[in-house]
Amino acid sequence: EAGVAQSPRYKIIEKRQSVAFWCNPISGHATLYWYQQILGQGPKLLIQFQNNGVVDDSQLPKDRFSAERLKGVDSTLKIQPAKLEDSAVYLCASSLTPNNSPLHFGNGTRLTVT
Amino acid sequence: GENVEQHPSTLSVQEGDSAVIKCTYSDSASNYFPWYKQELGKRPQLIIDIRSNVGEKKDQRIAVTLNKTAKHFSLHITETQPEDSAVYFCAASIGTGGFKTIFGAGTRLFVKA
Repeated sequence: EAGVAQSPRYKIIEKRQSVAFWCNPISGHATLYWYQQILGQGPKLLIQFQNNGVVDDSQLPKDRFSAERLKGVDSTLKIQPAKLEDSAVYLCASSLTPNNSPLHFGNGTRLTVT
Repeated sequence: GENVEQHPSTLSVQEGDSAVIKCTYSDSASNYFPWYKQELGKRPQLIIDIRSNVGEKKDQRIAVTLNKTAKHFSLHITETQPEDSAVYFCAASIGTGGFKTIFGAGTRLFVKA
């Protein structure tokens, strides 16, 4: 099966600029996740979708981050405006079921904010 | 609160020796515990998982044990090889129904040839 696709692979922006990341989950996976992984740390859940509805976004900095999954398949994560501390790898993952199911990760987008 | 603690943060072993990584969790309702391996610059990948109705699970050189009473679980790698060198993350599903997966901070494993 094709894996989780993410783009771009790398992005460098200046602080206060905007950036968007795209994710295409594994076909048939209704649950989609965006994680932030800061260097040397474990992945931190930003937002979780079930189809096109949000299941959890409790750790999403909503003043600057937004995400959508309009047709229940692809998803975009946006940061506007970016801060230096947003430098991280943004991982998209999908799973077959929303609970107690292994996550399949994409290769991630490495964001550097200067 | 929602928390998964992982130890040690770094582990160095000689090739052929065993490696053990331990995690504790705070949510007594957690019932799914996956382990992921992340090689440098690559995505995390599932290597083994265990559900709360099982105390131990083994897959070749990898095994995971779970103690629900003490709320801790461990990863055991036997006969380590240089290609086992990576960062390993434990995780736990939390909340009623296990709808959210929380990760530990990771253990960087070095296997010396």
